[in-house]
Amino acid sequence: QKEVEQDPGPLSVPEGAIVSLNCTYSNSAFQYFMWYRQYSRKGPELLMYTYSSGNKEDGRFTAQVDKSSKYISLFIRDSQPSDSATYLCAMNSGGSNYKLTFGKGTLLTVNP
Amino acid sequence: DVKVTQSSRYLVKRTGEKVFLECVQDMDHENMFWYRQDPGLGLRLIYFSYDVKMKEKGDIPEGYSVSREKKERFSLILESASTNQTSMYLCASTPRAAGKDTQYFGPGTRLTVL
Repeated sequence: QKEVEQDPGPLSVPEGAIVSLNCTYSNSAFQYFMWYRQYSRKGPELLMYTYSSGNKEDGRFTAQVDKSSKYISLFIRDSQPSDSATYLCAMNSGGSNYKLTFGKGTLLTVNP
Repeated sequence: DVKVTQSSRYLVKRTGEKVFLECVQDMDHENMFWYRQDPGLGLRLIYFSYDVKMKEKGDIPEGYSVSREKKERFSLILESASTNQTSMYLCASTPRAAGKDTQYFGPGTRLTVL
């Protein structure tokens, strides 16, 4: 079983739709969870960062972590064409372990 | 803002050439990383460094080496480039502080080996 599973998509939605992106993981030691956004031919940029379980909201974006189910989600409300990108989940166990374990990314297209 | 820069955005090299990819960060981060990213395979860690002159192998170090002589600079070296090293190479850095495990990425270098 892979440590982090992420549906690669592609996912295509109309402008204004609510988008749900998800990752599952197997390592119960993970406690730091991140979402990165990567535009075509660019490096990933950090979008959301959460520690342990719970929700975190930033504008149109909400990150949700359910450690009991080993499941994390990113919700995008009122999606815009500028949200079209690949979204990568990433996580680690913290402490002296600085390596991140990444999902393979989900390609999202928001159609105007 | 954290800034991570990479020496080239696009690079074309021939099989057998020695290739240097340079990465510089301006936020005094202790940890630096080199990844390659390929369609369907995601990000794969090549090497990382906890400090100056320190290096550790990642998941796919074969065919690569690294150098970290200064804190802000982390170089990836392809000793003898091969066509299967055609890829997008991404550098990242992160500070060594509790709860600060987010990695900041450079813009990437798209390397083509002919």
